[in-house]
Amino acid sequence: EAGVAQSPRYKIIEKRQSVAFWCNPISGHATLYWYQQILGQGPKLLIQFQNNGVVDDSQLPKDRFSAERLKGVDSTLKIQPAKLEDSAVYLCASSPWGSRGLYEQFFGPGTRLTVL
Amino acid sequence: DAKTTQPTSMDCAEGRAANLPCNHSTISGNEYVYWYRQIHSQGPQYIIHGLKNNETNEMASLIITEDRKSSTLILPHATLRDTAVYYCIVRVLRNNAGNMLTFGGGTRLMVKP
Repeated sequence: EAGVAQSPRYKIIEKRQSVAFWCNPISGHATLYWYQQILGQGPKLLIQFQNNGVVDDSQLPKDRFSAERLKGVDSTLKIQPAKLEDSAVYLCASSPWGSRGLYEQFFGPGTRLTVL
Repeated sequence: DAKTTQPTSMDCAEGRAANLPCNHSTISGNEYVYWYRQIHSQGPQYIIHGLKNNETNEMASLIITEDRKSSTLILPHATLRDTAVYYCIVRVLRNNAGNMLTFGGGTRLMVKP
């Protein structure tokens, strides 16, 4: 099966600019996650969707970050305006409904964002 | 979710077994132990999980102590492609709507020729 797709793979922007990342989960996966991974640290969850509804966005900096998952498939994560500390890899993951989804998440390759 | 402690880094010779420890002394009775790994420039990858019995799959074995306060991930014959950061995560097996993962710093395993 095709894996989780993310684009772009790399992005360089100036601080205060806006940026958007796109994720296409594995077909049929109901749950979608966005994680932020700062260099040298483990990934940190930003937001979790179940179909097109938000399950958990408690760690999403809502003053500048937004995410949507229209039609319960693709998802977009936006940062507006970006700060230097937003430089990180943004990982998208998905998991299927059912028992396998209880323990396994499938991650995309990530988008590496550099804010100058 | 219980906190985990892992060594920052480890080395292993190619072809030998890699034994990666994880301490989770505050684990609760309904919390599972999960292992993921992240190869350079890739997203994390699920390896294995368990509750109290030892588990084995095609990738690795998971040994959980009887008191469940620590565990060891074993890669029986490490190859250069096993060089990665290995994350030990402890959490309750929730329903599908609550399965976010909390990653710590992990162990950086370097497999050497």
